Amino acid sequence: DAGITQSPRHKVTETGTPVTLRCHQTENHRYMYWYRQDPGHGLRLIHYSYGVKDTDKGEVSDGYSVSRSKTEDFLLTLESATSSQTSVYFCANGTPGKAFFGQGTRLTVV
Amino acid sequence: KNQVEQSPQSLIILEGKNCTLQCNYTVSPFSNLRWYKQDTGRGPVSLTIMTFSENTKSNGRYTATLDADTKQSSLHITASQLSDSASYICVVSAESGGYQKVTFGTGTKLQVIP
Repeated sequence: DAGITQSPRHKVTETGTPVTLRCHQTENHRYMYWYRQDPGHGLRLIHYSYGVKDTDKGEVSDGYSVSRSKTEDFLLTLESATSSQTSVYFCANGTPGKAFFGQGTRLTVV
Repeated sequence: KNQVEQSPQSLIILEGKNCTLQCNYTVSPFSNLRWYKQDTGRGPVSLTIMTFSENTKSNGRYTATLDADTKQSSLHITASQLSDSASYICVVSAESGGYQKVTFGTGTKLQVIP
Protein backbone atom coordinates (compact mmCIF):
# COMPACT_ATOMS: atom_id res chain seq x y z
CA ASP A 1 0.00 0.00 0.00
CA ALA A 2 1.44 3.33 -1.08
CA GLY A 3 -0.38 5.31 1.58
CA ILE A 4 -0.94 8.03 -1.02
CA THR A 5 -3.90 10.36 -1.13
CA GLN A 6 -4.41 12.63 -4.11
CA SER A 7 -6.74 15.60 -4.12
CA PRO A 8 -8.87 16.52 -5.81
CA ARG A 9 -9.82 13.32 -7.63
CA HIS A 10 -11.55 15.24 -10.39
CA LYS A 11 -11.28 18.85 -11.51
CA VAL A 12 -12.52 20.94 -14.39
CA THR A 13 -10.83 24.26 -14.92
CA GLU A 14 -10.65 26.98 -17.52
CA THR A 15 -7.76 27.70 -19.81
CA GLY A 16 -5.33 30.18 -18.31
CA THR A 17 -6.18 29.54 -14.67
CA PRO A 18 -3.65 28.20 -12.16
CA VAL A 19 -4.29 24.75 -10.75
CA THR A 20 -2.65 22.91 -7.86
CA LEU A 21 -2.89 19.18 -7.34
CA ARG A 22 -2.00 17.73 -3.98
CA CYS A 23 -0.33 14.47 -3.03
CA HIS A 24 -0.04 13.32 0.56
CA GLN A 25 1.82 10.22 1.74
CA THR A 26 1.49 8.60 5.13
CA GLU A 27 4.92 6.99 4.80
CA ASN A 28 8.28 8.70 4.86
CA HIS A 29 9.42 7.82 1.38
CA ARG A 30 12.21 10.10 0.26
CA TYR A 31 11.20 9.92 -3.38
CA MET A 32 7.88 11.19 -4.69
CA TYR A 33 6.80 11.63 -8.31
CA TRP A 34 4.20 13.21 -10.50
CA TYR A 35 3.21 11.47 -13.72
CA ARG A 36 0.63 12.12 -16.37
CA GLN A 37 -1.15 9.42 -18.32
CA ASP A 38 -2.63 10.01 -21.76
CA PRO A 39 -4.09 7.63 -24.34
CA GLY A 40 -1.38 6.21 -26.58
CA HIS A 41 1.38 7.18 -24.19
CA GLY A 42 2.93 5.38 -21.29
CA LEU A 43 3.02 7.15 -17.98
CA ARG A 44 5.32 10.13 -18.35
CA LEU A 45 7.30 11.71 -15.55
CA ILE A 46 6.61 15.39 -14.96
CA HIS A 47 8.69 16.14 -11.89
CA TYR A 48 10.09 14.20 -8.99
CA SER A 49 11.40 14.95 -5.54
CA TYR A 50 14.23 13.26 -3.69
CA GLY A 51 13.74 15.10 -0.43
CA VAL A 52 12.25 18.17 1.19
CA LYS A 53 12.84 21.12 -1.12
CA ASP A 54 14.79 18.86 -3.50
CA THR A 55 13.05 18.47 -6.84
CA ASP A 56 14.02 17.85 -10.43
CA LYS A 57 12.41 17.84 -13.84
CA GLY A 58 11.12 14.81 -15.66
CA GLU A 59 10.58 14.35 -19.37
CA VAL A 60 7.42 16.52 -19.68
CA SER A 61 7.98 19.32 -17.18
CA ASP A 62 7.14 22.36 -19.32
CA GLY A 63 4.19 24.27 -17.88
CA TYR A 64 4.43 22.55 -14.50
CA SER A 65 6.10 23.35 -11.21
CA VAL A 66 6.30 21.41 -7.97
CA SER A 67 6.98 22.05 -4.33
CA ARG A 68 7.83 19.82 -1.41
CA SER A 69 7.92 21.69 1.89
CA LYS A 70 7.30 18.57 3.99
CA THR A 71 8.23 14.92 3.53
CA GLU A 72 4.60 13.90 3.32
CA ASP A 73 3.33 16.48 0.81
CA PHE A 74 4.17 16.99 -2.87
CA LEU A 75 2.29 19.65 -4.82
CA LEU A 76 1.99 19.95 -8.58
CA THR A 77 1.06 23.36 -10.00
CA LEU A 78 -0.05 24.23 -13.49
CA GLU A 79 0.81 27.91 -13.66
CA SER A 80 -1.60 28.66 -16.51
CA ALA A 81 -3.59 25.63 -17.55
CA THR A 82 -3.85 24.74 -21.24
CA SER A 83 -6.06 22.22 -23.02
CA SER A 84 -2.99 20.04 -23.67
CA GLN A 85 -2.73 19.53 -19.93
CA THR A 86 -6.04 17.71 -19.84
CA SER A 87 -4.92 14.35 -18.50
CA VAL A 88 -4.95 11.95 -15.60
CA TYR A 89 -2.25 12.78 -13.08
CA PHE A 90 -0.71 10.20 -10.79
CA CYS A 91 1.41 10.74 -7.75
CA ALA A 92 3.76 7.98 -6.68
CA ASN A 93 6.32 7.27 -3.99
CA GLY A 94 9.07 4.73 -3.40
CA THR A 95 12.30 4.13 -5.25
CA PRO A 96 12.16 4.84 -8.99
CA GLY A 97 11.97 1.23 -10.11
CA LYS A 98 9.65 0.18 -7.31
CA ALA A 99 7.09 2.94 -7.17
CA PHE A 100 3.63 2.82 -5.63
CA PHE A 101 0.90 4.90 -7.19
CA GLY A 102 -2.01 6.93 -5.91
CA GLN A 103 -5.52 6.76 -7.35
CA GLY A 104 -5.06 9.58 -9.80
CA THR A 105 -6.57 13.00 -10.46
CA ARG A 106 -8.55 13.52 -13.63
CA LEU A 107 -8.02 17.11 -14.80
CA THR A 108 -10.01 18.64 -17.63
CA VAL A 109 -9.02 22.04 -19.00
CA VAL A 110 -11.80 23.68 -21.02
CA LYS B 1 16.57 6.12 -26.61
CA ASN B 2 15.03 3.79 -24.05
CA GLN B 3 11.83 2.23 -25.29
CA VAL B 4 9.30 -0.30 -24.04
CA GLU B 5 6.85 -1.82 -26.50
CA GLN B 6 3.92 -3.97 -25.52
CA SER B 7 1.74 -6.24 -27.58
CA PRO B 8 -1.03 -6.69 -28.26
CA GLN B 9 -2.54 -3.27 -27.61
CA SER B 10 -5.78 -4.91 -26.63
CA LEU B 11 -7.09 -8.41 -26.12
CA ILE B 12 -10.45 -10.02 -25.47
CA ILE B 13 -10.60 -13.51 -24.01
CA LEU B 14 -13.23 -15.79 -22.54
CA GLU B 15 -13.35 -16.30 -18.81
CA GLY B 16 -11.32 -19.31 -17.80
CA LYS B 17 -8.92 -19.09 -20.73
CA ASN B 18 -5.21 -18.35 -20.52
CA CYS B 19 -3.42 -15.48 -22.21
CA THR B 20 0.07 -14.11 -22.65
CA LEU B 21 1.07 -10.47 -22.92
CA GLN B 22 4.39 -9.41 -24.42
CA CYS B 23 6.91 -6.71 -23.58
CA ASN B 24 10.02 -5.88 -25.63
CA TYR B 25 12.46 -3.28 -24.41
CA THR B 26 15.56 -1.42 -25.49
CA VAL B 27 16.63 -0.10 -22.13
CA SER B 28 20.17 -0.13 -20.87
CA PRO B 29 21.82 -0.61 -18.58
CA PHE B 30 18.99 -2.83 -17.41
CA SER B 31 18.12 -2.72 -13.73
CA ASN B 32 14.72 -4.35 -13.32
CA LEU B 33 11.41 -4.99 -15.05
CA ARG B 34 8.05 -4.66 -13.42
CA TRP B 35 4.53 -5.55 -14.48
CA TYR B 36 1.68 -3.41 -13.20
CA LYS B 37 -2.07 -3.98 -13.32
CA GLN B 38 -4.21 -0.89 -13.72
CA ASP B 39 -7.94 -1.15 -13.22
CA THR B 40 -10.08 1.47 -14.93
CA GLY B 41 -10.04 4.69 -12.94
CA ARG B 42 -7.38 3.46 -10.53
CA GLY B 43 -3.64 3.79 -10.15
CA PRO B 44 -1.26 1.04 -11.30
CA VAL B 45 -0.59 -1.74 -8.82
CA SER B 46 2.57 -3.85 -8.97
CA LEU B 47 2.22 -7.53 -9.88
CA THR B 48 5.84 -8.66 -10.18
CA ILE B 49 9.34 -7.26 -10.32
CA MET B 50 12.30 -9.05 -11.85
CA THR B 51 15.99 -8.34 -11.90
CA PHE B 52 18.57 -9.43 -14.47
CA SER B 53 19.20 -12.81 -12.87
CA GLU B 54 15.54 -13.86 -12.61
CA ASN B 55 13.87 -15.79 -15.42
CA THR B 56 10.45 -16.42 -13.92
CA LYS B 57 8.39 -14.99 -11.13
CA SER B 58 4.85 -15.88 -10.15
CA ASN B 59 2.14 -14.07 -8.25
CA GLY B 60 -0.88 -16.32 -7.99
CA ARG B 61 -2.31 -16.83 -11.48
CA TYR B 62 0.18 -14.33 -12.92
CA THR B 63 3.56 -15.58 -14.14
CA ALA B 64 6.14 -13.24 -15.58
CA THR B 65 9.16 -14.36 -17.56
CA LEU B 66 12.26 -12.45 -18.52
CA ASP B 67 14.81 -13.13 -21.24
CA ALA B 68 17.54 -10.56 -20.71
CA ASP B 69 19.42 -11.73 -23.79
CA THR B 70 16.57 -10.99 -26.19
CA LYS B 71 15.23 -8.16 -24.00
CA GLN B 72 11.78 -9.65 -23.84
CA SER B 73 9.33 -10.30 -21.05
CA SER B 74 5.94 -11.93 -20.98
CA LEU B 75 3.08 -11.98 -18.51
CA HIS B 76 1.03 -15.15 -18.54
CA ILE B 77 -2.41 -15.16 -16.95
CA THR B 78 -3.85 -18.56 -16.12
CA ALA B 79 -7.54 -19.38 -15.82
CA SER B 80 -8.62 -15.80 -16.38
CA GLN B 81 -11.32 -14.20 -14.28
CA LEU B 82 -13.58 -11.25 -14.97
CA SER B 83 -11.57 -9.27 -12.41
CA ASP B 84 -8.50 -9.63 -14.61
CA SER B 85 -10.03 -7.09 -16.98
CA ALA B 86 -7.58 -4.20 -16.78
CA SER B 87 -4.60 -2.63 -18.47
CA TYR B 88 -1.25 -4.32 -17.90
CA ILE B 89 1.78 -2.09 -18.02
CA CYS B 90 5.39 -3.17 -18.45
CA VAL B 91 7.94 -0.88 -16.82
CA VAL B 92 11.70 -1.15 -17.27
CA SER B 93 14.28 0.61 -15.14
CA ALA B 94 17.80 1.56 -16.18
CA GLU B 95 20.57 2.48 -13.80
CA SER B 96 21.92 5.91 -14.65
CA GLY B 97 24.41 7.75 -12.48
CA GLY B 98 23.08 6.27 -9.28
CA TYR B 99 19.50 7.06 -10.22
CA GLN B 100 17.04 4.67 -11.85
CA LYS B 101 15.45 6.00 -15.00
CA VAL B 102 12.09 4.38 -15.60
CA THR B 103 10.41 3.80 -18.97
CA PHE B 104 6.76 2.80 -19.16
CA GLY B 105 5.10 0.82 -21.90
CA THR B 106 1.72 1.98 -23.20
CA GLY B 107 0.03 -1.10 -21.82
CA THR B 108 -2.15 -3.97 -23.03
CA LYS B 109 -5.84 -3.60 -22.36
CA LEU B 110 -7.30 -6.97 -21.45
CA GLN B 111 -11.01 -7.66 -21.41
CA VAL B 112 -12.26 -10.93 -19.98
CA ILE B 113 -15.81 -11.75 -21.01
CA PRO B 114 -18.22 -14.37 -19.60
